[in-house]
Amino acid sequence: QSVLTQPPSVSAAPGQKVTISCSGGSSNIGNNYVSWYQHLPETAPKLLIYDDNKRPSGIPDRFSGSKSGASATLGITGLQTGDEADYYCGTWDTSLTAVVFGGGTKLTVL
Amino acid sequence: EVQVVESGGGLVQPGGSLRLSCVLSGFHFSSYAMSWVRQAPGKGLQWVSSISGSGGATYHTDSVKGRFTISRDNSKNTLYLQMNSLRAEDTAVYFCVKDTGFVLPAAASHWGQGTLVTVSS
Repeated sequence: QSVLTQPPSVSAAPGQKVTISCSGGSSNIGNNYVSWYQHLPETAPKLLIYDDNKRPSGIPDRFSGSKSGASATLGITGLQTGDEADYYCGTWDTSLTAVVFGGGTKLTVL
Repeated sequence: EVQVVESGGGLVQPGGSLRLSCVLSGFHFSSYAMSWVRQAPGKGLQWVSSISGSGGATYHTDSVKGRFTISRDNSKNTLYLQMNSLRAEDTAVYFCVKDTGFVLPAAASHWGQGTLVTVSS
């Protein structure tokens, strides 16, 4: 059971928009920055969003992050088949003194 | 360009030990926290351990406390994970990760390709 809760799967058509939610509590998302990762099979995970809503160099602006209270959201617009992957949220948990990840969300681009 | 290269994975019997190494380049190594993250077969990402840039602070997930030790050699740009008393549930691909923070892990900005650890008799 993950400390952060994500939907197991989401799907949308090419060109459409999708959002992935990540729910936590005051000891993690509520008081610490959230990051988001994309993990394609047989590859290294990639950082998409850090500090709640910042994109590293090279990440297209189709990817966006937001946070409200103890919940965070990853948004992806202009969906492409190459976006099919597992997506994870992560943050520091002050009470656990640990990094916590969500259980992951599998994105299918229909 | 940041490069992350892990080594040391393999097959080990339950109760055995293994040491993972990770050599990083392309940035000022001692200025950043480092972590190990693993993914068991068919499962999601699980954080294992982190260490501050100076090496003075370490953090471990509860299931590995007392068995795993994270360390770093800033003179060699190398991160280590000493794994003792290995269990079947430690079987996973272990990723070496460069963080954006210095003392506490903040975001995993660069990941290695991973090294597979299999614990089985």
